Amino acid sequence: DQQVKQNSPSLSVQEGRISILNCDYTNSMFDYFLWYKKYPAEGPTFLISISSIKDKNEDGRFTVFLNKSAKHLSLHIVPSQPGDSAVYFCAAIPVSTGNQFYFGTGTSLTVIP
Amino acid sequence: NAGVTQTPKFQVLKTGQSMTLQCAQDMNHEYMSWYRQDPGMGLRLIHYSVGAGITDQGEVPNGYNVSRSTTEDFPLRLLSAAPSQTSVYFCASSYNLAASYNEQFFGPGTRLTVL
Repeated sequence: DQQVKQNSPSLSVQEGRISILNCDYTNSMFDYFLWYKKYPAEGPTFLISISSIKDKNEDGRFTVFLNKSAKHLSLHIVPSQPGDSAVYFCAAIPVSTGNQFYFGTGTSLTVIP
Repeated sequence: NAGVTQTPKFQVLKTGQSMTLQCAQDMNHEYMSWYRQDPGMGLRLIHYSVGAGITDQGEVPNGYNVSRSTTEDFPLRLLSAAPSQTSVYFCASSYNLAASYNEQFFGPGTRLTVL
């Protein structure tokens, strides 16, 4: 049972435009959310996170939005750059255990120069 | 500071063989974990450890064993390899996941093929 879902397997965006990656979750006990970026043949690297007490967190070109009532989070990349082309995973951690990450299936972003 | 290292990078096994995937970190992290990545499935947690001598099962533990005798090392053992275990395996660590939801640092992965 996939508790964290990324319904778009792929996304293509023109360089300079906004990329919006979406993630939905089903477990209301999740209270911390993270985005990871993965290049081919490398391990995932942490990008940005957000606690459930917030609805927005920014870090440079990257902003994560959290809508708890909809159990939805999104990652905005503005402006998108060719180097942003990668697979993006969202992840969530539940309050009850705090010991297990639950990852989505990933969205492959291609930024077209 | 090497971060999280994994060996080997690639491995081919025959069905029924056993092997150990090695993982080490030099950041003095308490929390370590193993994931497998399969197409369309994302990253799924196999086993994790919150400190030396303490391990627990994740989402997909069957067919795998782990131990944590030191803070630095967290090997993953495949007891009797099956084609369904063909995957890319990632080891990850973080300072103390439960306390502060720290980010995890991932190794480069081991690509395993079971024939």
